[in-house]
Amino acid sequence: QVQLVQSGAEVKKPGASVKVSCKASGYTFTDYAMHWVRQAPGQRLEYMGWINTGNGNTKYSQQFQGRVTLTRDTSASTAYMELSSLRSEDTAVFYCARGRFHFDIWGQGTMVTVSS
Amino acid sequence: QSLLTQPPSVSGAPGQRVTISCTGSSSNIGAGYDVHWYQQLPGTAPKLLISRNNNRPSGVPDRFSGSTSGTSASLAITGLQAEDEADYYCQSYDSSLSNSMFGGGTKLTVL
Repeated sequence: QVQLVQSGAEVKKPGASVKVSCKASGYTFTDYAMHWVRQAPGQRLEYMGWINTGNGNTKYSQQFQGRVTLTRDTSASTAYMELSSLRSEDTAVFYCARGRFHFDIWGQGTMVTVSS
Repeated sequence: QSLLTQPPSVSGAPGQRVTISCTGSSSNIGAGYDVHWYQQLPGTAPKLLISRNNNRPSGVPDRFSGSTSGTSASLAITGLQAEDEADYYCQSYDSSLSNSMFGGGTKLTVL
């Protein structure tokens, strides 16, 4: 079946970086863009940006511009989200989601905790 | 601050009908960009509920429906059930941001 499986929980110190992976299966990876969404505990969904899995082009939300990098490995059908200069406010669940204009398949989420 | 405004909470008794609004502007919903709705049950990933304003993916009950008018959109849930208790988010594209965005989310409580 179509699914996105994300990497496991991470604990990072302030100022560090984290890289989350999202492995796709059950469909042709390059047929759909991959989007990333952050959700702090008890808070709303925040759109981070997306990557064209075919050509690697990216578009980032202004809020995360300069700190987030989206990449993909087409041979592994895997997308990656790297967030740098982590601060306590980045403690959140990060989701990948497949889609063009709407997001029909979501990963299970990856909890990132930023703590000294 | 979200450019798509939703009420923080709505509630209804089992069997009733509730609506959740999503108010945007001329750079998103008013510009004709589609609105999509997601349901997020506690502790789980969001799930696509309505795509392209009023389309239900396979498996979504017809108790859920979407509509748009001007710069706003609405999600209607009829025959409310206890299992509908969740957070609901609208999502659209905004031309001033040149990117997608989510509403602030609405918590539905089934009384």
